[in-house]
Amino acid sequence: DAGITQSPRHKVTETGTPVTLRCHQTENHRYMYWYRQDPGHGLRLIHYSYGVKDTDKGEVSDGYSVSRSKTEDFLLTLESATSSQTSVYFCAISELAGVFEQFFGPGTRLTVL
Amino acid sequence: GDSVTQMEGPVTLSEEAFLTINCTYTATGYPSLFWYVQYPGEGLQLLLKATKADDKGSNKGFEATYRKETTSFHLEKGSVQVSDSAVYFCALSEESEKLVFGKGTKLTVNP
Repeated sequence: DAGITQSPRHKVTETGTPVTLRCHQTENHRYMYWYRQDPGHGLRLIHYSYGVKDTDKGEVSDGYSVSRSKTEDFLLTLESATSSQTSVYFCAISELAGVFEQFFGPGTRLTVL
Repeated sequence: GDSVTQMEGPVTLSEEAFLTINCTYTATGYPSLFWYVQYPGEGLQLLLKATKADDKGSNKGFEATYRKETTSFHLEKGSVQVSDSAVYFCALSEESEKLVFGKGTKLTVNP
């Protein structure tokens, strides 16, 4: 199994508070991704990174920011959490893009009250 | 833009039944196509893929053929097991850094 961990695995927070989710990999893969999974929407890309300090937006990036200061870590921050950001968040990694497989972490269940 | 459309679920089958989950796509070029599976409480994992027209991907008894003429990549299995109960996602990548996913199809297999 690819070495991907996410922390925390579960979090309950209140509206308006900042939240940071962490994705850590031990595979030295170049690409890292953050997705959210919601019923009826499948997986939607929030942000992704193609190298240290190199990031780009996905289709649902509003309200989220990311940072990647080391190859192995990719952080997702909700600056001021809202109830609409209640979701399951998945991190994924890929050695290269295109035809290469993405490996997914176990997910973080976030509830914003 | 690129998109993937999967048959809506949920799908409920009896053990040893034949499975088909339909997937069609819209893309401007020649994408690579994927099926991912998500077992309860886990992240997604690649089930199979095909990178060019007429390729057949296969794994664990599942198969899917890349049909350019019908822009389809339907997932099939001849005899499902209870352990195949999961959510199945069709996805495409068109020479970009991103995967585009369908909304997923939940499969339940009863003994």
